[in-house]
Amino acid sequence: GAGVSQSPRYKVAKRGQDVALRCDPISGHVSLFWYQQALGQGPEFLTYFQNEAQLDKSGLPSDRFFAERPEGSVSTLKIQRTQQEDSAVYLCASSFDVGMMGGYTFGSGTRLTVV
Amino acid sequence: GENVEQHPSTLSVQEGDSAVIKCTYSDSASNYFPWYKQELGKGPQLIIDIRSNVGEKKDQRIAVTLNKTAKHFSLHITETQPEDSAVYFCAASLNNFNKFYFGSGTKLNVKP
Repeated sequence: GAGVSQSPRYKVAKRGQDVALRCDPISGHVSLFWYQQALGQGPEFLTYFQNEAQLDKSGLPSDRFFAERPEGSVSTLKIQRTQQEDSAVYLCASSFDVGMMGGYTFGSGTRLTVV
Repeated sequence: GENVEQHPSTLSVQEGDSAVIKCTYSDSASNYFPWYKQELGKGPQLIIDIRSNVGEKKDQRIAVTLNKTAKHFSLHITETQPEDSAVYFCAASLNNFNKFYFGSGTKLNVKP
């Protein structure tokens, strides 16, 4: 597609529910990234994929967070047993290749609200 | 890890004036510094970037300067227009560009 597509755009979850957030990167983009953006803050790195391989998951806040990209295209970020502190916008970005300076394209994000 | 600080948090200017946003970083190994513009309800969009082997870069009304010794970099917007109103983020990255450390953002308001 023309850009990075994320769904749903908005998600309200009751505390303790599991959620799954989807990212469709730009076709042919090798690298895919997930960031968490709390209200009024800058994005914070969660995890990075090169094709289907998850090369860096150092930013995942806890073992409740899990990301996958099984076929090297679409990625899903799953949050188990959601907590109020998980409320944030979750941004996905993709780039054509590793080291593509300036090649990051962000999606519009999924706003997660945990009540 | 890297720590990026950004100032000011809000900036209000009159249309046509200049705006300057400043960032500092902590890790001297960082060598790539992008600036992003984020409009309400949208993801960040790259507007300009600079590598550590360059001191200044300009693209029309936007320029970025980098002082490696002092570990700070700045965004300069000249002849501001109302459509420049948005939140601006600086970021820093190490060699591999696969992890960006963002500042906390500056909300720029350009008054017509």
